[in-house]
This record gives sequence, structure tokens and C-alpha cells, in this order.
Amino acid sequence: AQSVTQLDSHVSVSEGTPVLLRCNYSSSYSPSLFWYVQHPNKGLQLLLKYTSAATLVKGINGFEAEFKKSETSFHLTKPSAHMSDAAEYFCVVSDRVDYKLSFGAGTTVTVRA
Amino acid sequence: DTEVTQTPKHLVMGMTNKKSLKCEQHMGHRAMYWYKQKAKKPPELMFVYSYEKLSINESVPSRFSPECPNSSLLNLHLHALQPEDSALYLCASSQETEIYGYTFGSGTRLTVV
Repeated sequence: AQSVTQLDSHVSVSEGTPVLLRCNYSSSYSPSLFWYVQHPNKGLQLLLKYTSAATLVKGINGFEAEFKKSETSFHLTKPSAHMSDAAEYFCVVSDRVDYKLSFGAGTTVTVRA
Repeated sequence: DTEVTQTPKHLVMGMTNKKSLKCEQHMGHRAMYWYKQKAKKPPELMFVYSYEKLSINESVPSRFSPECPNSSLLNLHLHALQPEDSALYLCASSQETEIYGYTFGSGTRLTVV
């Protein structure tokens, strides 16, 4: 069984300040982990993925995430928020057993000017 | 081509209508998926096709009928829907295993009246 907990339902930051979105996971196997972003009325865009290679993963638009097995965490960070980062973010896990993904509940990011 | 294309983008249908959603990808992906997403919620898996065969049906009501005519196309046939079926319907595709991540389409916004 696998599951994901996004620890913050809403994060508000000022433009130019760091962003931290927290994600903890549970998986019976060695997991694959993903962060997706969804802008209003749009589909999901893959930001980055962890698939058992380097534990620090760099993604698009300046985002990165660190896989910490001991803490079962996969937090997403960005050093400087931009107005265009305002969106819904989903942490997703797969235990590679079947084709199913488990989604977190999502974190809404707002960016203040 | 690195996209999943969904048509139509918006659809309004009555409860007695029959309509279809279409999804197309030309990335050579052999797994394709239908997800349903209600407002402010993560996507929920409906169906999985692997090598053009239905491999997972998440106990979806029979008023939703998927079809995979070939490796590039995925349809979702709709009949006698209810207002609570109004949602964003997302199509996704992936290589044989999910390790590389899913590619999502931008979705079809369905309203049942």
C-alpha cells in the first residue's frame, strides 16, 4: 500500500522569497515520487521526479526536491517565488507494482506582490 | 511530439445525451489512463489501458465506457450521465512502466445539465 500526505493545504509567500511545500509518503516498496503543478483550469504538468537515482532532484522552473528515505519525505523547494508559481501542487507516489499513482490532497500556493 | 491532446476542451451535455471524449498521444506510450477531477480535489483514477487492453477499472459506473482503438487513441464514451458527473476529465499516458512519470493532457471540462 502507498499513500501521500501533503502537510500544508495552503502556502502563501511574497514574490522573491523561498517556497517550501512539504510531502511525506508511505510505500511498501522502493517508490517513485513526483511533483506535479496544476494552474487553474489546466492539466497537470510534471515538475520533477525521483526514481532511485540522485536524491536531490532538479526540475523545471527552478524547483527542486530532496528524497529523504529516513524521514520518508520529498519536500519541494524554490529559492525565489514568482507570480507565475501561483497554482495547485500535488505530490504523487508510485510503488512500481502496478500502474496506479497515489496523489496527495494538494497544496495551493498563492504569491503576494 | 511530447503532448497528450484532449478534445473537446469544454462539453455541456444533457442527462439523456450520448457524447465522447477523445485523447491522443504520439509519444509511443503503451499505457493510457482516464482520471476524473472534482474542484479542489486531486485526480481520481478511472481506467487504465495497457497495450490497448483494459487492465484496471476502478469500479466506475457503466455510464462511462472506455475504448482504446489503437496505441495512440483513447476514448471515453458517456451516456445517461448525472449532474454529479460534472468534473474535469484528464487523460494521461506513460511508457510501459510509470518510472518516467505520466504526461497529462489539459483535460475536458464536462458539465452535465
